[in-house]
Amino acid sequence: GDSVTQMEGPVTLSEEAFLTINCTYTATGYPSLFWYVQYPGEGLQLLLKATKADDKGSNKGFEATYRKETTSFHLEKGSVQVSDSAVYFCALILTDKLIFGTGTRLQVFP
Amino acid sequence: EPEVTQTPSHQVTQMGQEVILRCVPISNHLYFYWYRQILGQKVEFLVSFYNNEISEKSEIFDDQFSVERPDGSNFTLKIRSTKLEDSAMYFCASSIITVEAFFGQGTRLTVV
Repeated sequence: GDSVTQMEGPVTLSEEAFLTINCTYTATGYPSLFWYVQYPGEGLQLLLKATKADDKGSNKGFEATYRKETTSFHLEKGSVQVSDSAVYFCALILTDKLIFGTGTRLQVFP
Repeated sequence: EPEVTQTPSHQVTQMGQEVILRCVPISNHLYFYWYRQILGQKVEFLVSFYNNEISEKSEIFDDQFSVERPDGSNFTLKIRSTKLEDSAMYFCASSIITVEAFFGQGTRLTVV
C-alpha cells in the first residue's frame, strides 16, 4: 500500500547547522507531497508542499524537491535556529486522505 | 487568519463512556477530516467527510465511531463506548480542495 518512510530521530544540531531530514514514499499513482511541522504542545502546520515531479516547495528557509526518480522529498534548511525545534512529518496524498510518516524530532541547541 | 478550532483541548473520560469531540472548520471549506495520533506514534487517518457524507474511512473507524456536521458549522467525532486504546490526540482538519488541509490544535483524549 501507499506509505511514507522518514529517517528516525531525534536529529540534534547546533544553531546555524545544515539540516536534512530524509523522506521517501511508495505510492501507486502520482501523489502530492507535504511537510508538516508540530511545535511542542501545538497542532500540525503545513510547512511546504509540492504537487508534481521536480516541483520545489519552500517556506521559512526550508526547502524540499519532489524527486520522482528516487521517490523522495527530503527536507533541507541551510541554517537552523533554536525556534525550529519541533517534530517534522512527511506526508503524501493521493485521494483525499493524508498518509504520514512517523515524524522526525529536531532539536536545535544554541 | 482563519483557523480550525477544536474543543475541548483535553478530555478525560472513563472507559465505556461516550465522548464527542468538536471542531469548527474554516468557514468556506468543503472537505473535513479526523486524524488521530497515539502518543509517540504516527498521525493516522480516520475519516473524510464531503457533501454531508463520509467519503472515505480507515479500518480504525469502526462502528464505535461516527461523524456529524449537525448545523453547517460544527463537525463532530463521536466515540460511543471508549476503550483505553482510544487514548490519543485527535486532530480535525478541513480543506477547500483535497490537496491542502488545515489542522486544528487537537483534542487530547485520555480514557481511564
